[in-house]
Amino acid sequence: DTGVSQDPRHKITKRGQNVTFRCDPISEHNRLYWYRQTLGQGPEFLTYFQNEAQLEKSRLLSDRFSAERPKGSFSTLEIQRTEQGDSAMYLCASSLQLAGVGGANVLTFGAGSRLTVL
Amino acid sequence: EDKVVQSPLSLVVHEGDTVTLNCSYEVTNFRSLLWYKQEKKAPTFLFMLTSSGIEKKSGRLSSILDKKELFSILNITATQTGDSAVYLCAATTDSNYQLIWGAGTKLIIKP
Repeated sequence: DTGVSQDPRHKITKRGQNVTFRCDPISEHNRLYWYRQTLGQGPEFLTYFQNEAQLEKSRLLSDRFSAERPKGSFSTLEIQRTEQGDSAMYLCASSLQLAGVGGANVLTFGAGSRLTVL
Repeated sequence: EDKVVQSPLSLVVHEGDTVTLNCSYEVTNFRSLLWYKQEKKAPTFLFMLTSSGIEKKSGRLSSILDKKELFSILNITATQTGDSAVYLCAATTDSNYQLIWGAGTKLIIKP
């Protein structure tokens, strides 16, 4: 296993266009997280999945953002009608959460997808 | 509101110096504290601290947690230019998914 993979690594788009990012987590991990990170800030939580179920979405996630994890493996994050304020690094992370064990576990991050909206 | 505050925000030292990075937290139902190193891309995991007073060590890096005073420190001895990075800390809680992140400390090591 090569870790968490994200694609594309860089995306430049014009305002108003739709973009989609893909994340392939570590295969045995059941949790998948999406974060957004801007310069000088820590990762900002967007959403997370336990297997195929999307269990939590940040209030920051507007209706233009949608995430899926259809078979509990890879995930996609789509941003519709992009705005310049969407420019950021989009990080995916995965973890193995054992049944009956509370609290978040150590996350393994992908290299990120950097979005620039012109 | 839960928060994690890191200090300093940035630090420039010379190779060979020792640095101490700070992470304080105010988090309901605190569970553990994580340290990550972020160079140009993904944050990479360094330490997970759950118990107070027990030092975790990996080579020149070490970290300790104080659950009474609600902070953790990350020490790097004999710094090298390859230690230049943003160091992030995050608190986990019993909420089962949430990590609360600090803004990071940008460390620059000059040769």
